Amino acid sequence: GAVVSQHPSWVICKSGTSVKIECRSLDFQATTMFWYRQFPKQSLMLMATSNEGSKATYEQGVEKDKFLINHASLTLSTLTVTSAHPEDSSFYICSAGRGFGETQYFGPGTRLLVL
Amino acid sequence: AQKVTQAQTEISVVEKEDVTLDCVYETRDTTYYLFWYKQPPSGELVFLIRRNSFDEQNEISGRYSWNFQKSTSSFNFTITASQVVDSAVYFCALSEIRNTPLVFGKGTRLSVIA
Repeated sequence: GAVVSQHPSWVICKSGTSVKIECRSLDFQATTMFWYRQFPKQSLMLMATSNEGSKATYEQGVEKDKFLINHASLTLSTLTVTSAHPEDSSFYICSAGRGFGETQYFGPGTRLLVL
Repeated sequence: AQKVTQAQTEISVVEKEDVTLDCVYETRDTTYYLFWYKQPPSGELVFLIRRNSFDEQNEISGRYSWNFQKSTSSFNFTITASQVVDSAVYFCALSEIRNTPLVFGKGTRLSVIA
């Protein structure tokens, strides 16, 4: 099946630093990727839709200047958490699919801990 | 608007018991897709099944089976002869129009006790 990778899998950083997370579709092209956030024992919350070659679409309440998304190619989307603070600590997951109704495959996730 | 409800927050069963995870959805679209994902303690979401709204045929895959009923807007998931390795959080999800993101239920945490 399709594979989506994420890097890094774990990040520990100091408050105020920026963290970049990469999401790659390894064996298919994805014009759209999605970024989710998951707090402990909660469901996945959609943060934004990443569109190749255009600006990302952010969900209500998600700060676009805080969470920068760049979809530079059909196989790569990046999420940058700028000036991270402890409340940004969470599990970040990306997903990608080939198109309408196609299964969304999820990356293994990135655990971010901001000290 | 679309919505997915998983009323069972946590379920505990003894190994070899059968267990059914409930999923009820809401959507205005006539064309949609339903999914189940498994999230083990490692965190990675594992795809289990995808079902489109025009196919109400139930599906069986090994110990897993799914019951899709449009009349009740339900897409329930049954594990027969549960095993400890089945312990995980299971998410039901809905996808509507073209390439929209999945709408997830809150998940059901299944614990299978040896």
